[in-house]
Amino acid sequence: NAGVMQNPRHLVRRRGQEARLRCSPMKGHSHVYWYRQLPEEGLKFMVYLQKENIIDESGMPKERFSAEFPKEGPSILRIQQVVRGDSAAYFCASSPSSAHQPQHFGDGTRLSIL
Amino acid sequence: AQTVTQSQPEMSVQEAETVTLSCTYDTSESDYYLFWYKQPPSRQMILVIRQEAYKQQNATENRFSVNFQKAAKSFSLKISDSQLGDAAMYFCAYRSATMGSGGSNYKLTFGKGTLLTVNP
Repeated sequence: NAGVMQNPRHLVRRRGQEARLRCSPMKGHSHVYWYRQLPEEGLKFMVYLQKENIIDESGMPKERFSAEFPKEGPSILRIQQVVRGDSAAYFCASSPSSAHQPQHFGDGTRLSIL
Repeated sequence: AQTVTQSQPEMSVQEAETVTLSCTYDTSESDYYLFWYKQPPSRQMILVIRQEAYKQQNATENRFSVNFQKAAKSFSLKISDSQLGDAAMYFCAYRSATMGSGGSNYKLTFGKGTLLTVNP
């Protein structure tokens, strides 16, 4: 009974490179949420996706960040031209539906920018 | 917009004792959910307990219970018989139950967390 799977667990990038973070939701879950946790902070909502649709990306920076959840395969959070300030833990959560069901979190990806 | 405030950055408790973590929130909605999540050093986010705002009865899960005061917008977590494994960062979170325009019934809004230390 696999939970939400995120990989890689740790990712190191140099400034200007691209970071791709992957999230496979729990079996039977079709709703995916990405959150970012900066040091000493709580998690902050970034984006909510259903299969092939972005439902709400209001928490995502307008530039350099994008997310997708294709019909097949994991959800991807992409950060282009990374900067030091992108260093954070990125968590993915999934739920069977958007209402009434708790979100189950993955273990997160810790992104470090050199 | 909803906000969640955890006024205790750090707390400590002796093993086997009881500790209460505070959380207050601000919302104009009447229907919502409240959660406590635990984040141990491994950084997993583990759901500890959940409360529906329409339920007057306080939620309990084994040694974990909440004191939900809707009028005061307060949602504290009580950990009884504290164990070394309870040491972690604890986050209080809010989620609207409102559907439709203006309702974001999927976003979790988190507080900044309380770091709990359990002393042997």
